[in-house]
Amino acid sequence: GAGVSQSPRYKVTKRGQDVTLRCDPISSHATLYWYQQALGQGPEFLTYFNYEAQPDKSGLPSDRFSAERPEGSISTLTIQRTEQRDSAMYRCASSLERGADTQYFGPGTRLTVL
Amino acid sequence: QKEVEQDPGPLSVPEGAIVSLNCTYSNSAFQYFMWYRQYSRKGPELLMYTYSSGNKEDGRFTAQVDKSSKYISLFIRDSQPSDSATYLCASGTSYGKLTFGQGTILTVHP
Repeated sequence: GAGVSQSPRYKVTKRGQDVTLRCDPISSHATLYWYQQALGQGPEFLTYFNYEAQPDKSGLPSDRFSAERPEGSISTLTIQRTEQRDSAMYRCASSLERGADTQYFGPGTRLTVL
Repeated sequence: QKEVEQDPGPLSVPEGAIVSLNCTYSNSAFQYFMWYRQYSRKGPELLMYTYSSGNKEDGRFTAQVDKSSKYISLFIRDSQPSDSATYLCASGTSYGKLTFGQGTILTVHP
């Protein structure tokens, strides 16, 4: 596609519910990153994929967070049993290759947990 | 202490001014350094990146890295109202994990 897309753009959920966020990277891009961005802060790394492999998930805050990229293209980030502190902007980025390559960010999903 | 520290500002300057944005980092494993610009309600966009100590220039923008002091700077010459945005410094590892600063909010007023 022309750019990185994410859906939904906004998600409001109640505490305790599960949510799944979707990222559709640029079609030729091997590497996909997930970041969490709190208001007034820079993005914070959650995890990344190189094709379907997930070499680093050190940034996931707890085992309630998981991500998948089963076919090496679209990725999902799932948060189970959401808590209010999970409220943030979740951003996806993709790059052509792993390493020092330009990361193109999507518009993000604004998650609000009531 | 965060691995990348950035003064959040906000910074307000008149049109035409020279803007200096700064970050420090603490992790010697960082191999490259980037500046992203983020407009309101948008995702970050890469502005500049550099691997080594020294200056890199692109139009009105100059990125400067001093690895000995772990200091990163971005200079904007002849600033324009369209430069008003949040500027994020970022440092990266070999496989692409970026660590961002907090971001500096810049307003250039006519």
